[in-house]
Amino acid sequence: KAGVTQTPRYLIKTRGQQVTLSCSPISGHRSVSWYQQTPGQGLQFLFEYFSETQRNKGNFPGRFSGRQFSNSRSEMNVSTLELGDSALYLCASSLGQAVYTEAFFGQGTRLTVV
Amino acid sequence: DAKTTQPNSMESNEEEPVHLPCNHSTISGTDYIHWYRQLPSQGPEYVIHGLTSNVNNRMASLAIAEDRKSSTLILHRATLRDAAVYYCILRGSGGSNYKLTFGKGTLLTVNP
Repeated sequence: KAGVTQTPRYLIKTRGQQVTLSCSPISGHRSVSWYQQTPGQGLQFLFEYFSETQRNKGNFPGRFSGRQFSNSRSEMNVSTLELGDSALYLCASSLGQAVYTEAFFGQGTRLTVV
Repeated sequence: DAKTTQPNSMESNEEEPVHLPCNHSTISGTDYIHWYRQLPSQGPEYVIHGLTSNVNNRMASLAIAEDRKSSTLILHRATLRDAAVYYCILRGSGGSNYKLTFGKGTLLTVNP
């Protein structure tokens, strides 16, 4: 079966702009989570959506937002980009919300802010 | 968030077993122990999880201490493709413990 698809794979944006990243989960998966990975901070949780509702949120400023559509696809938006937002953004999908559920990660979107 | 402690790095030789330790002394009774790994230039990949009993799957085995304060991920025969960062994560129900919280992990180097 198809895995988690993230688009685009690479992105270069200018400071102050906004960006939207997309994640298509595995078919049938209803939970989508987003993570930011940087060399300094490692993998940090951004937020999680289940059935179009945000269920969990990490410690990121309000410039970071997301949403989930009825087909479980998810988008993440970052407004007023800063140089420090340069990172690999990873999306993970799960069948449900049980704590024993396996998460499947996409390849990520590499965002560079210049 | 429930915390785990792992060595920063470990080294192994190809075809030898590898034991990756993880300490989680503050684990609660309902926390599951999950292991993920991240190969270079890829997203994390699920390896195994367990609650109380030892677990085996096609990738690895998970040995959980009787008091659940520590666990060990066992790769029975390391290959070069197993070189990755391995993350030990506690995942519990409710609140902030539900999400996957990644620490620094253990960087495993496999020598040919």
